[in-house]
Amino acid sequence: QKEVEQNSGPLSVPEGAIASLNCTYSDRGSQSFFWYRQYSGKSPELIMFIYSNGDKEDGRFTAQLNKASQYVSLLIRDSQPSDSATYLCAIPGNYGGSQGNLIFGKGTKLSVKP
Amino acid sequence: KAGVTQTPRYLIKTRGQQVTLSCSPISGHRSVSWYQQTPGQGLQFLFEYFSETQRNKGNFPGRFSGRQFSNSRSEMNVSTLELGDSALYLCASSPEGLYNSPLHFGNGTRLTVT
Repeated sequence: QKEVEQNSGPLSVPEGAIASLNCTYSDRGSQSFFWYRQYSGKSPELIMFIYSNGDKEDGRFTAQLNKASQYVSLLIRDSQPSDSATYLCAIPGNYGGSQGNLIFGKGTKLSVKP
Repeated sequence: KAGVTQTPRYLIKTRGQQVTLSCSPISGHRSVSWYQQTPGQGLQFLFEYFSETQRNKGNFPGRFSGRQFSNSRSEMNVSTLELGDSALYLCASSPEGLYNSPLHFGNGTRLTVT
């Protein structure tokens, strides 16, 4: 049974700081990793995906993947109050990297204080 | 372009009844996935349809079923409702369901079973 673990938080950071969100996964064969953001009362939206070891940067967001440690993280630089949301880590339920079938962690709630 | 549309937004049913939820994907998207979201279990994958065929299925009892029509619209059905089926049901679509094409979630149907 594939599993994704996340610290539920809440993680509280001051505005302008770096927020670090972490995720571990059970299946060594996982090839692709996704970060979704979900605002309260809204549906999830994809913010990053990564499928190779190392870092991937997109604006203020950096995803870091370490397959040997089965660990993926999301860094948010210059955090803004508008980043306050729940961040969900996900892996495909089957091989091939399909997003049609994702296993989600329970999410980390981030709060950015002005 | 219109987003993913789910109807109805809210439903209240009693135990033992059945319910049908509807999802219209983004035009041109052929993959439709269904997820159940609860505070305790988080987001859990129900099933994925692609070109009218069920491509993947999660670990839910047979009371949960779905189908996809030739226009890619999808329905899911829950029979013999239980109190534990109370949840937010999210539909997501993508062009092919592949890792590099983001899932677009609808606003969900909030089901309450009394």
